[in-house]
Amino acid sequence: EPEVTQTPSHQVTQMGQEVILRCVPISNHLYFYWYRQILGQKVEFLVSFYNNEISEKSEIFDDQFSVERPDGSNFTLKIRSTKLEDSAMYFCASSEADYNEQFFGPGTRLTVL
Amino acid sequence: QKEVEQNSGPLSVPEGAIASLNCTYSDRGSQSFFWYRQYSGKSPELIMFIYSNGDKEDGRFTAQLNKASQYVSLLIRDSQPSDSATYLCAVDMNTGFQKLVFGTGTRLLVSP
Repeated sequence: EPEVTQTPSHQVTQMGQEVILRCVPISNHLYFYWYRQILGQKVEFLVSFYNNEISEKSEIFDDQFSVERPDGSNFTLKIRSTKLEDSAMYFCASSEADYNEQFFGPGTRLTVL
Repeated sequence: QKEVEQNSGPLSVPEGAIASLNCTYSDRGSQSFFWYRQYSGKSPELIMFIYSNGDKEDGRFTAQLNKASQYVSLLIRDSQPSDSATYLCAVDMNTGFQKLVFGTGTRLLVSP
């Protein structure tokens, strides 16, 4: 069964460093998303991406964040200068079409020291 | 602020019983509703989705939607210990492109 994959599973970084989280969405899906979940809190929407551009973003997704689809399979989330409060699980999701169900990857645990 | 509310639980049920999980949402224009299961330290796993008022059944799971009351629920029949997890209600708040707003989740404990 096709699934969303994410790498790395765990990333530890120093405050102020740049990190890139990688995702491979399900191959025939066209809509891609990033969510995050701070430990013990709810899953929060960050950004949606379609046709090589951002379709919607949340207040969390400020200038420190960017997304890219560098090739036909990968979808990345970059945090330019990490802060302690960026420590969270970051989930990538994809859907076949808009308003279809979203399937989540296993997540990347980001720890900022 | 568009919100999704769930009782955090835990909801404790014995094995074989029916577990009933509830969710309310604030945006009357919401169109799509999803239930995800999340085991500790894992990612959300889609269980059910529902778009129309009424009931939708899939195996042991039934989703119920009442748009007039802005209420969606999930029933789990014949609950198993392996159903013990946090159940997340997610709502597409009809902002144009799909953007799921999640509740905090209800922790379900099924005792053998």
